[in-house]
Formats: sequence, C-alpha cells, structure tokens
Amino acid sequence: NAGVTQTPKFQVLKTGQSMTLQCAQDMNHNSMYWYRQDPGMGLRLIYYSASEGTTDKGEVPNGYNVSRLNKREFSLRLESAAPSQTSVYFCASRPAGAQETQYFGPGTRLLVL
Amino acid sequence: SQKIEQNSEALNIQEGKTATLTCNYTNYSPAYLQWYRQDPGRGPVFLLLIRENEKEKRKERLKVTFDTTLKQSLFHITASQPADSATYLCALGYNFNKFYFGSGTKLNVKP
Repeated sequence: NAGVTQTPKFQVLKTGQSMTLQCAQDMNHNSMYWYRQDPGMGLRLIYYSASEGTTDKGEVPNGYNVSRLNKREFSLRLESAAPSQTSVYFCASRPAGAQETQYFGPGTRLLVL
Repeated sequence: SQKIEQNSEALNIQEGKTATLTCNYTNYSPAYLQWYRQDPGRGPVFLLLIRENEKEKRKERLKVTFDTTLKQSLFHITASQPADSATYLCALGYNFNKFYFGSGTKLNVKP
C-alpha cells in the first residue's frame, strides 16, 4: 500500500494563478482532510470530507475549494493564489468507525510569489 | 477556537534520559488527545491517543497522561535515543472530524 500520496511535491505560483493539489489514498478510508502548516503554527484544517460525496469547511476555508472525486481522491483548488497561501499542505485520511487516527501524506510545498 | 500551547523552544536531552513534552490548552476539554511525530519534510505520524476519561496510556517507551482539570497532557519518552529526535505535535479531537493541532516541540536527543 502506498498510503496517502500527494502531488505535486513542490510548486511555485504567481499571485492570481490557479492550481489544484491532488491527494489519493489506497486504504479504503471514508474520511479525508486538507491541512496547511505554517511556521510557528499548528496544522490548521482547511476542508474535510466525512464520506464520498460530502465536504465541509474547516477552520480556514477562505480562498480554497475542494472536490471529493471518489472514495480515493480528494483535491484542493486555489482559484486565485495569494502570497498568504504560501504554506505546506498536508492531506490526511481516516478510517470509518470509532478509530480517530489520521494518516498523513508527505505534503506539498507551495510558494506564491 | 481552541488555543494549544506547546513549548516552542527545542528540548535538548542526553541519550538514555526521559524526555517530557507538554501540551496545554484553553477552553473546553477535548473528547480525546493525540500525539504525533513529525520528521523534517514529512507528514505527521500518529503515536498515541488518550481519551478524556483516561489518565494514562503507554506504548513501549512512550507514555501519555491527560489531566482535564489542569487542561494539560504530558508526553514521555523513556530511555531516549538519537532516533527519537523529531518534532512532536499534540492534537485535540472534539469529534471524528474536528481537530486542533499544536505547533509542536522539537526534541533533540544527543548521544
């Protein structure tokens, strides 16, 4: 099993450009999450999907959109990138039921100039 | 929103000693609390979970305590090794999909 995979690993954007960060998991997990991690701050939840076909806002959703394409894939889209969105983005997944453990991907480093 | 405090200064200890990391929070207590390890350039990796009705949890050289009165969790690594050097994050869970993470404490174990 590859676990949680993210593409790309690193991306540089200019202000105003758009892009989509891809995430896939092969563990048959129901829930998937997008976080951002900034220096000196904890991981902050952007959006999550509790199950295929549903998405909900997290703590910092402004400037982002998400799509739960199927059970495996959960993408994060920046429609018009801003320098404040420079960060490391992590995708995570979690199995259904009473287990609360999240499995994280390796992250995508995004630099917006 | 929840405020979580982890010591932002790195913790430097000698190999073989016990490392103790602290996680303090304000406001309402979580249903459970998790500890993760994060290595540079990688995603967090789950270590331990403790629920609000549990005082202590152990796994091999790891021990977590949870005091809802003090609003604090302590994370211990006994007989520490240089391979334990990493950043350790605590995360508060309020339901299956609502998590708040601390900024982490960097642990350096010197041989």
